[in-house]
Amino acid sequence: DVKVTQSSRYLVKRTGEKVFLECVQDMDHENMFWYRQDPGLGLRLIYFSYDVKMKEKGDIPEGYSVSREKKERFSLILESASTNQTSMYLCASSLYPDRALPKNIQYFGAGTRLSVL
Amino acid sequence: DAKTTQPPSMDCAEGRAANLPCNHSTISGNEYVYWYRQIHSQGPQYIIHGLKNNETNEMASLIITEDRKSSTLILPHATLRDTAVYYCIASTDSWGKLQFGAGTQVVVTP
Repeated sequence: DVKVTQSSRYLVKRTGEKVFLECVQDMDHENMFWYRQDPGLGLRLIYFSYDVKMKEKGDIPEGYSVSREKKERFSLILESASTNQTSMYLCASSLYPDRALPKNIQYFGAGTRLSVL
Repeated sequence: DAKTTQPPSMDCAEGRAANLPCNHSTISGNEYVYWYRQIHSQGPQYIIHGLKNNETNEMASLIITEDRKSSTLILPHATLRDTAVYYCIASTDSWGKLQFGAGTQVVVTP
């Protein structure tokens, strides 16, 4: 079974802190995604990566950056955390479209509930 | 990706079939229909997908109309553990991205 592991289930940080959310997948997937989920707004894509060191902006990249130094690991970085970044953060992975039939089966981690005080 | 429309909520009795509708009237010929669900405080979970034909797996069945403008996810014998938000997504994004809508909150009652 595919396993996507997020490093923390719950996290509490202070405004202005630099925050790292880590995600690791064990299925050699090329694609990895970071979403945030807020009540009434659903899941929104922050960033995704289709290969090591490659990244693409999603729908709401402002205030975030990402790092993908190894294929299995995708990190979300909040350079200076703010209270409006309090949210549930979800990581997902999938095969690259050319290798996947069909191509949009994403496997999700359990999520990290981040509170910024 | 085609826009999908789902009812915001529905109830289902335990042991009965749950039929979840989804409208995707602008779907294009190469867009798959995907269903995911999200149990409270967990990440979304893939259920099933289809293009034209009806599909069945161990979790559910997917019925797609002949004109592909709508589909129905069927949970054949709903259990309390099926209580979740169910998302219907139509997509052929070249990067493999998915657009999640609001979904349908399904509550299975004893």
